Amino acid sequence: ETGVTQTPRHLVMGMTNKKSLKCEQHLGHNAMYWYKQSAKKPLELMFVYSLEERVENNSVPSRFSPECPNSSHLFLHLHTLQPEDSALYLCASSHNPGGYTFGSGTRLTVV
Amino acid sequence: EDQVTQSPEALRLQEGESSSLNCSYTVSGLRGLFWYRQDPGKGPEFLFTLYSAGEEKEKERLKATLTKKESFLHITAPKPEDSATYLCAVQALSNSGYALNFGKGTSLLVTP
Repeated sequence: ETGVTQTPRHLVMGMTNKKSLKCEQHLGHNAMYWYKQSAKKPLELMFVYSLEERVENNSVPSRFSPECPNSSHLFLHLHTLQPEDSALYLCASSHNPGGYTFGSGTRLTVV
Repeated sequence: EDQVTQSPEALRLQEGESSSLNCSYTVSGLRGLFWYRQDPGKGPEFLFTLYSAGEEKEKERLKATLTKKESFLHITAPKPEDSATYLCAVQALSNSGYALNFGKGTSLLVTP
């Protein structure tokens, strides 16, 4: 398998649930990212990992918790989310510096 | 603070009717400007990277240009399959994490 793969593609969760989003890249890139995409808003950077170390955390609420166990895998752990957290969550990877390769995203709905 | 503004927000073209999308930016030292295409329900797909003013890149019906303040994505004789949202993003020299700062996008609809 090539490129950036995200699972699941769709997720519906209650506000008290705990779930995780998974991202895997097979491109040999050294950086991985989580972005949030909401309607009518620009993509919002959530987390950056470069060489498996978190470089940036753009003041994201603690109910979102990232994990990068190695250079090919990235997780986003979710707990006690709010309805306004419903969005498309995109994972991307890159060689630093350079453009990104995105996954297809996880469409998250919080009920 | 880095800013990226795309216009128009939405554009409707007849097949074959050429036009341009605009991306205005302010950044404290540009490392690169990126164009992406996004289809509904999918992640953005890379189109071009531009690094310095005066640079141009082409791919099929698309041509991207760059000045010190803005970039244009020119679409020549578009086809319905060019319908998508086009995203512009900048990467700043000062950004140690190499994050991309995106605009809101231009939603393009090409009708037969």
